[in-house]
Formats: sequence, C-alpha cells, structure tokens
Amino acid sequence: NAGVTQTPKFRVLKTGQSMTLLCAQDMNHEYMYWYRQDPGMGLRLIHYSVGEGTTAKGEVPDGYNVSRLKKQNFLLGLESAAPSQTSVYFCASSYSGGTETQYFGPGTRLLVL
Amino acid sequence: KNEVEQSPQNLTAQEGEFITINCSYSVGISALHWLQQHPGGGIVSLFMLSSGKKKHGRLIATINIQEKHSSLHITASHPRDSAVYICAVPNYGGSQGNLIFGKGTKLSVKP
Repeated sequence: NAGVTQTPKFRVLKTGQSMTLLCAQDMNHEYMYWYRQDPGMGLRLIHYSVGEGTTAKGEVPDGYNVSRLKKQNFLLGLESAAPSQTSVYFCASSYSGGTETQYFGPGTRLLVL
Repeated sequence: KNEVEQSPQNLTAQEGEFITINCSYSVGISALHWLQQHPGGGIVSLFMLSSGKKKHGRLIATINIQEKHSSLHITASHPRDSAVYICAVPNYGGSQGNLIFGKGTKLSVKP
C-alpha cells in the first residue's frame, strides 16, 4: 500500500497563476482533508470531504477550491495564486471523523512569487 | 471552538534524558491525538487516546480528561527522537471530522 500520496512535491508559481494539487489514498478512507502549515502556526484545515462527491469548508478556505469526484482522490485548486498562499500543504485521510487516526501525505511545498 | 496549547515550544535534551511534552485544551473532548513530524516534514500519528495511558516502545502518552490535559513522555531519549511533536483534538465547535492542532513542540536530542 502506498498510503497517501501527493503530487507535486514542490512547485513555484507566479502571482495570478493557477494550479491543482492532487492527493490520492489507497486505504478506502471516507474522509479526506487538505491542511496548510505555516511557520509558527499549527496545521490549519482548508477544506475537507466526508465522502465521494462531498466537500466542505474548513478554517481557511478562501482562495482555494476542492473536488472529490472519486473516493480515492481529493484535489485542491488555486485559481489565482497569491504570495500569502506560500506554504506547505498536507493532505490526510481517515476512516471516519475526529476520533479516528489521520494518515498524512508527504506534503507539497508551494512558493508563490 | 477548542483551543490547544503546547509547552514547551522548544526543548533541547541530552541523549538518555526523560522528556515530557504537555498539551492542554479548552473544550471537553472524547479523544486526543499525538503526532510526530520528522525533520524531513513527514507527519505520522503516534497515539490516539481517550483515557488513562498508552505506551509504544519508549513513548508514553497520558491524558486527564477532567483537567483537559495530556502529556507525552519519552524515556531514554535518543537523537532519532528529534522531531516536532504535535497535539490535536477534535473541534466540536466546528464541523464533524475537524481536528484542531497545537503549534507543536520542537525536540532536539543531543548525543
């Protein structure tokens, strides 16, 4: 099992460009999450999904969109990147909600110039 | 919304020392998570506990639900334990499935 994988590992964007981050899991988990991690701050939830075809906003959703067309994939989109979106992005998945162990991907480092 | 505080923020220890990292939260929970973030960035779950104590190798996690406090102990610390340790709790003020994460405790174990 690969667990949770993320693509790409690192990306540099110019302000205004768009991109999509892909998260895939092979554990048949219902719940998937996108977090961002910034220096001096804890992981913050951007968007999450409780099942195929569903998405919901987290703590810091502005400037991001998500889609979960297939159970194993969760996509995070930046339509018009801003320097404030420079961060490390982590995807995670779990069998169900807050009392279940979350399994994290290796992270994507994004730099917006 | 739950608030999570970890202490200390940074911790330097000599190899072999006993380590304690603390986590307090503001809203009652049913379970608490401890995670480890390696220097390379990867995050792994160490424990999920709802009461009492759990042990895995040299790591011991305890929780006091009444006092809204948890501790992570490392016995006989080793340089390979150097990492950021993160506490997380469910945010019942938010939507189902959310975790609120502490800012982490950066541990450095010197040989």
